[in-house]
Amino acid sequence: AQKVTQAQTEISVVEKEDVTLDCVYETRDTTYYLFWYKQPPSGELVFLIRRNSFDEQNEISGRYSWNFQKSTSSFNFTITASQVVDSAVYFCALSLSNDYKLSFGAGTTVTVRA
Amino acid sequence: DADVTQTPRNRITKTGKRIMLECSQTKGHDRMYWYRQDPGLGLRLIYYSFDVKDINKGEISDGYSVSRQAQAKFSLSLESAIPNQTALYFCATSDGQGVIFGPGTRLTVL
Repeated sequence: AQKVTQAQTEISVVEKEDVTLDCVYETRDTTYYLFWYKQPPSGELVFLIRRNSFDEQNEISGRYSWNFQKSTSSFNFTITASQVVDSAVYFCALSLSNDYKLSFGAGTTVTVRA
Repeated sequence: DADVTQTPRNRITKTGKRIMLECSQTKGHDRMYWYRQDPGLGLRLIYYSFDVKDINKGEISDGYSVSRQAQAKFSLSLESAIPNQTALYFCATSDGQGVIFGPGTRLTVL
């Protein structure tokens, strides 16, 4: 069975600080997909990134970056120069193969203070 | 129009009542899913369907049933609602490249 652990329950930062969200996953499969979603206070789930297990390249999208390390089974997410609009709950998720039955972590609540 | 719509968006019901949550998608995706979100637990899979004739139980299917009326429609029913089914419910679809979620239905069972 697969499992996703987001050990940080809540993180509070001041605007412009960087914040890194940890995600550790467990699976015995060699083919899997990792995701990050953002859930702002309005409640919807916003897709941020999908990464497959064969692509360990780190990715940067604007102020967002992701560090995928298979050796430590981690897929960490960094927000650079945080803004108040980044305040949200962030979920890491895992699916095996491409069935996209997602196993979610418990989420990390990020609060960015002005 | 939104890719995935859910109705109702909010619902308050009483213990023992039957309730149906509806989901429609305009993406033409074969795969559809129902998840529930509880504080501190993330989202958990209730049921999923890979085509109209395919229905599968997820991690927490007890107390729920589903119906795939068409490719675009996937409904979740609570036959006899109980208070611990109070949660935020999400429908989702996938084309095999990613997962798109609906806006969610907040259900309260009194």
